[in-house]
Amino acid sequence: DTAVSQTPKYLVTQMGNDKSIKCEQNLGHDTMYWYKQDSKKFLKIMFSYNNKELIINETVPNRFSPKSPDKAHLNLHINSLELGDSAVYFCASSQDRERGGTDTQYFGPGTRLTVL
Amino acid sequence: GENVEQHPSTLSVQEGDSAVIKCTYSDSASNYFPWYKQELGKRPQLIIDIRSNVGEKKDQRIAVTLNKTAKHFSLHITETQPEDSAVYFCAASIVGGGADGLTFGKGTHLIIQP
Repeated sequence: DTAVSQTPKYLVTQMGNDKSIKCEQNLGHDTMYWYKQDSKKFLKIMFSYNNKELIINETVPNRFSPKSPDKAHLNLHINSLELGDSAVYFCASSQDRERGGTDTQYFGPGTRLTVL
Repeated sequence: GENVEQHPSTLSVQEGDSAVIKCTYSDSASNYFPWYKQELGKRPQLIIDIRSNVGEKKDQRIAVTLNKTAKHFSLHITETQPEDSAVYFCAASIVGGGADGLTFGKGTHLIIQP
């Protein structure tokens, strides 16, 4: 199956813990992203990353950090979790039309994070 | 940075009628405008997109129009069906030349009444 996948699907943890969410895409895309969807369903970009640059949304706390072991993976690491971090986190990937893609961003299934 | 406004937040239409959702954007450099459909508990999925060099695009019952001068774009769904019920998001970004995320509108909850 060609797709964007995320693990885990659900993550329940205590305040103050450190956690990671993994994302993998087998679409051969150059660019990957992390989005946060809050309880009001607002979708907000957190990070954009390709092999040349990392773009960080200025509103994202520095407790959040993306880590990319290779082109197919962009994991999200969160330190010192807070109640307000509870949300659904979506990974996505795309390929520039200039590099043979369509610019379309394909989303993973999401990870529902609950901080108690 | 980019700001995308979307209206209405909720739209209820009779099955078979048309639905229109409108968005405005602030950054004149934005050149790519996708629309996503998100069903409850699912991931956002692209339904149609338009680029700044095109004024209108159609795919079966779905069409999108773009007015670059006014910086607004709209989604039109004709002959609505129950399976069209979902949350629809418009978005804007700058593509070509680097990693750039989508700036989303706040979503429209479309309800198709039988």
